[in-house]
Amino acid sequence: EADIYQTPRYLVIGTGKKITLECSQTMGHDKMYWYQQDPGMELHLIHYSYGVNSTEKGDLSSESTVSRIRTEHFPLTLESARPSHTSQYLCASSEQPYGYTFGSGTRLTVV
Amino acid sequence: GNSVTQMEGPVTLSEEAFLTINCTYTATGYPSLFWYVQYPGEGLQLLLKATKADDKGSNKGFEATYRKETTSFHLEKGSVQVSDSAVYFCALSASNDYKLSFGAGTTVTVRA
Repeated sequence: EADIYQTPRYLVIGTGKKITLECSQTMGHDKMYWYQQDPGMELHLIHYSYGVNSTEKGDLSSESTVSRIRTEHFPLTLESARPSHTSQYLCASSEQPYGYTFGSGTRLTVV
Repeated sequence: GNSVTQMEGPVTLSEEAFLTINCTYTATGYPSLFWYVQYPGEGLQLLLKATKADDKGSNKGFEATYRKETTSFHLEKGSVQVSDSAVYFCALSASNDYKLSFGAGTTVTVRA
């Protein structure tokens, strides 16, 4: 049974729409991460958080934003979706400095 | 900086064949090393890990040994099954950083 949940699993949306991808974990982990996975399967860190009210940008520049108001919740928002945002987005959490737990991902298509 | 280089795929094997996926890394200090697996349509799952030199991680018949002298963490399985078809990622976590650095992933397909 998954301890980290992402919704929706699949989303098709029109250009210019605002969207929020949800990520919640029940493990009480302080550290959470968002990765973007391209069609070639490579993973790129776009945001991370080490605790409530703490967020940082990752290695890959992204037009998305994140918030961390509660430990268990780490949503990702795109204010105006574009076709270039089409990708799979993976959320993860960890407590120790190793051993991430990943959600099942959200596959986003912007048309 | 920290980086991981893993063998490019795709790799196609017959059932019961031997699988090896090469992984080498660059890092300062003493990183922890991981292999993750991603089955079709799913997120990543931790397959095995090693936190210090000469440690061997193992799980589900897969093994990898942390070799500091060659900065490598190659993944091996002696007899693969169709159910092992997946994408495999090598990753490292530096001793002073919680973030994981991933390799590009290797797609493995096992045919019956």
